[in-house]
Amino acid sequence: AQSVTQLDSQVPVFEEAPVELRCNYSSSVSVYLFWYVQYPNQGLQLLLKYLSGSTLVKGINGFEAEFNKSQTSFHLRKPSVHISDTAEYFCAVSDWSGAQKLVFGQGTRLTINP
Amino acid sequence: EAGVAQSPRYKIIEKRQSVAFWCNPISGHATLYWYQQILGQGPKLLIQFQNNGVVDDSQLPKDRFSAERLKGVDSTLKIQPAKLEDSAVYLCASSLGGTGYMNTEAFFGQGTRLTVV
Repeated sequence: AQSVTQLDSQVPVFEEAPVELRCNYSSSVSVYLFWYVQYPNQGLQLLLKYLSGSTLVKGINGFEAEFNKSQTSFHLRKPSVHISDTAEYFCAVSDWSGAQKLVFGQGTRLTINP
Repeated sequence: EAGVAQSPRYKIIEKRQSVAFWCNPISGHATLYWYQQILGQGPKLLIQFQNNGVVDDSQLPKDRFSAERLKGVDSTLKIQPAKLEDSAVYLCASSLGGTGYMNTEAFFGQGTRLTVV
């Protein structure tokens, strides 16, 4: 079974500052890793995913994440945030089995202050 | 391409009443998921269908929750009777299905917010 821990429930930052949202996972098998964003009263939108290959993956809206197998981490970063990035961010993992269901972390609320 | 459609968007019911949610997945998507998202938590998988068969319902409280996917397209999730702790957002997602990751990327609907009073 897999599990995901998002280390910060809330992250406040100023506009144009850099941000890092932390995610650690636990799994006994190889996994795929994802970051989703959820805007108020909306569903989940995929930001980026790690399947294999390069450990640095780039996603939409200027976000990127780095897979670190030895530390079982998949932290999300953005060099300069905008007010419109205010949202809830979820890290998720799925294994390589046929079912490939997503297991989510508890989420990190990113608040951008002007 | 139309996304995953869910209805209703909001529902308020009293405890012990019943409620049903509807989901129409993206056309051609064989796999359909129902997730429960309690306030302040990440989504939790309730049930996963592949066409009209159940792949995983291990976290579905079967004494009160039921789900079906007739003809392998639309799906309904029902709660009967509802409890206060069922207050949550119910998210439906769909994916192409089959082997390989690109066939399993999940697309989410906007969700149904249920309040049980």
